[in-house]
Amino acid sequence: AQSVTQLDSQVPVFEEAPVELRCNYSSSVSVYLFWYVQYPNQGLQLLLKYLSGSTLVKGINGFEAEFNKSQTSFHLRKPSVHISDTAEYFCAVITGFQKLVFGTGTRLLVSP
Amino acid sequence: DADVTQTPRNRITKTGKRIMLECSQTKGHDRMYWYRQDPGLGLRLIYYSFDVKDINKGEISDGYSVSRQAQAKFSLSLESAIPNQTALYFCATSGKDREGSSYEQYFGPGTRLTVT
Repeated sequence: AQSVTQLDSQVPVFEEAPVELRCNYSSSVSVYLFWYVQYPNQGLQLLLKYLSGSTLVKGINGFEAEFNKSQTSFHLRKPSVHISDTAEYFCAVITGFQKLVFGTGTRLLVSP
Repeated sequence: DADVTQTPRNRITKTGKRIMLECSQTKGHDRMYWYRQDPGLGLRLIYYSFDVKDINKGEISDGYSVSRQAQAKFSLSLESAIPNQTALYFCATSGKDREGSSYEQYFGPGTRLTVT
């Protein structure tokens, strides 16, 4: 069965600093990977997705992620964060039958 | 108007009560999903439906039932609510997009359910 691991439950960072949120997956077949963001008291919004092609994927709000098949990772990065990036971020993988399996989430806390 | 709507947005109910959460979508998608979110556990799939006649159990379906009344409507019921069903519930949809893939899921705003 496919699974997703987000090792960091919380990542504190200062405004304008770079950030990396880690995601590792387990799968024996081709994978489709996603990062979603959940702002306080809101639903989930897609940040970016990897289906095929270039391993560097650019998303909304200046985020990007790199698919690394050999390390089974899909880490999310942003070179300079803003206060408004404070949110919870979820990595997810599509299983067979097109079901999303989510990681447990990483809370990004951006302070001035 | 939002593409995926959920009603109610907040609900407090008592143990043993029956409650229904409703989801509607205007995206024209054929696939719909119900998840629950608990702190530290991420989102877990309760039920999913790939069309009106297709209903499937997810990871944590015990204590829940669903009904797909139409392509655009998918409701979740708790027949006899219990306190550990207190959670944030999300509906989601997926279908073909302009790129041809059907993998991206679109989420509603969530329903916060408290069972006392």
